[in-house]
This record gives sequence, structure tokens and C-alpha cells, in this order.
Amino acid sequence: NAGVTQTPKFRILKIGQSMTLQCTQDMNHNYMYWYRQDPGMGLKLIYYSVGAGITDKGEVPNGYNVSRSTTEDFPLRLELAAPSQTSVYFCASSYLAGGPGDTQYFGPGTRLTVL
Amino acid sequence: DAKTTQPTSMDCAEGRAANLPCNHSTISGNEYVYWYRQIHSQGPQYIIHGLKNNETNEMASLIITEDRKSSTLILPHATLRDTAVYYCIVRVRVRFGAGTRLTVKP
Repeated sequence: NAGVTQTPKFRILKIGQSMTLQCTQDMNHNYMYWYRQDPGMGLKLIYYSVGAGITDKGEVPNGYNVSRSTTEDFPLRLELAAPSQTSVYFCASSYLAGGPGDTQYFGPGTRLTVL
Repeated sequence: DAKTTQPTSMDCAEGRAANLPCNHSTISGNEYVYWYRQIHSQGPQYIIHGLKNNETNEMASLIITEDRKSSTLILPHATLRDTAVYYCIVRVRVRFGAGTRLTVKP
């Protein structure tokens, strides 16, 4: 298994540009998550999904959109990039939420800079 | 969700046991305690989890007090590669806190 994969690894955007961060998992997990991590800080949940077709907001959803058309893929969309969105973005997945099946597996991250 | 409190940073000598504490006094009966770590610039890595009983795996041991209001992650023989930020989480689904930055020194 490849686990959780993310593309791209690095990206520089200009203010106002759009992009999609890709996330794919091959573990047949129901739950998927997007986090952002600012320098020296902990992770903050942006959006999560409990299964194909179902998504919900996390702590910091403003400026982002998600979709979940398949179990494997959970792309994160930035429509109008702003400098405040400069961060490292991590995608994660888990079989369940809560309880012993809630172990989250993380991708390697996407480092995004908005100038 | 239960709030967790961890020290901001700790040091440990290489080869010695690293004991990382976590307070979670508001934990509810069905909430598990999870530990993750994040080595610089990488995605967080699962270490161990438990509900009531102490747990051990190939990476670490988890000691949970009888009242479940606190726990300790034990790395029995810390190496330089264990230098990382360690997160204690109750209710994994929602949020990670600031964690404890463990520095293992030679």
C-alpha cells in the first residue's frame, strides 16, 4: 500500500490564483481530513469527510472547498489564494472516527507559499 | 472533546527513557487517548493509543492512570531519531494541540 499520497509537494502561488491540492489513499478508509500547519504551530482541521459525497467543516474552513466523489480521493481547493494561506497542508485518513479505529494516517504534506 | 495539557518542551539523554506526561482531566468514559509524533517537516505519525489499560507496542508504552485523568508516553530507550513534537490527543477526529517538543541529546 502507498498509504496517503499528496501532490504537489511544493507550490508557489500569486495572490488571487487558484489551485487544487490532491490527496489519495489506498487503504479503503471512510474518513479523510485536511489540516494546515503554520510554522511552529500545531495542526488545524480545515475540512473532513466521513465518506464519499459527505463533507463537513473543521476549525478553519474559510477560503477552502472540498469534494469527495470517491472513497480514495479528497481534493482541497483554494479559489482565491491569500498570503494567510501560506502553510503546510496535510491530508490524513482513518478507518473510523472515535474509538480504536480512529488511527489517522498522514500524507507527506504540501508546502504552499502565497506571494 | 476533552482538553489535553502537555509541557511545551522536554529534554532527554540518548539511551535513557523519555517519559512524556499528558493531563486530560475532562476525558469522558468512551474517549481514547492517542499519541502521535511529528518529526520535522513530516506528516504526523501514529504511536500508540489506549482506553483504560496500559498498552505497549514496538515503539512505546502508554500508562494511563486509574482515574484516566492523565497518561504518560514512555519511549524506553530514546535515540536521536526520537527528537520530535509529541501530541497527546483525546478524540483524534477533531484537533491536535501544540504538543511537546522532545529533544534527545547525545
